[in-house]
Amino acid sequence: GAGVSQTPSNKVTEKGKYVELRCDPISGHTALYWYRQSLGQGPEFLIYFQGTGAADDSGLPNDRFFAVRPEGSVSTLKIQRTERGDSAVYLCASSRGPGGNEQFFGPGTRLTVL
Amino acid sequence: TQLLEQSPQFLSIQEGENLTVYCNSSSVFSSLQWYRQEPGEGPVLLVTVVTGGEVKKLKRLTFQFGDARKDSSLHITAAQPGDTGLYLCAVTRSGTYKYIFGTGTRLKVLA
Repeated sequence: GAGVSQTPSNKVTEKGKYVELRCDPISGHTALYWYRQSLGQGPEFLIYFQGTGAADDSGLPNDRFFAVRPEGSVSTLKIQRTERGDSAVYLCASSRGPGGNEQFFGPGTRLTVL
Repeated sequence: TQLLEQSPQFLSIQEGENLTVYCNSSSVFSSLQWYRQEPGEGPVLLVTVVTGGEVKKLKRLTFQFGDARKDSSLHITAAQPGDTGLYLCAVTRSGTYKYIFGTGTRLKVLA
């Protein structure tokens, strides 16, 4: 069956530009997570959706970062006024439900801000 | 201060050797997960441990949750090149669904 997919796989942008990263979760998975992984580090939690609502957005670093999941399936992570420090791999994961259910990760989007 | 400390940070061994990697914290957790991540891919769940002192085996991998549920170890017997990857532990805080990952152990098994 289809796993979690993320597009684009690579994104190169210039400082100050706006970017959108897309996540297609496994069909039927109600929980969706975004993480950011810097080189040599473990994934860092950004935001968790249960259905359409952001149940926990405490990991978003500042107000330049925003994520939506309008129909409870596909999610988009939006970054405004990108900075060089935003360069990282952005990972998306989905699970059948919250807490304790196995998370299935996508391959990530590698974002490079020049 | 990192909530989950993993050690060693890097490990390079020969095929056939045994190894143990560790995940430590000063906090108590209701459960702990181990993942393996290969380059260009997302982490893949290996196991979830929930009971203090619990031991789980997955082929040549043995996972143990500490009695006090503050730490865990992963032991690999007769390592193979296919075991190469980044090993991550992760926990959720009680009452939240926010997963916190450790810093990872990068393992390389040489043929």
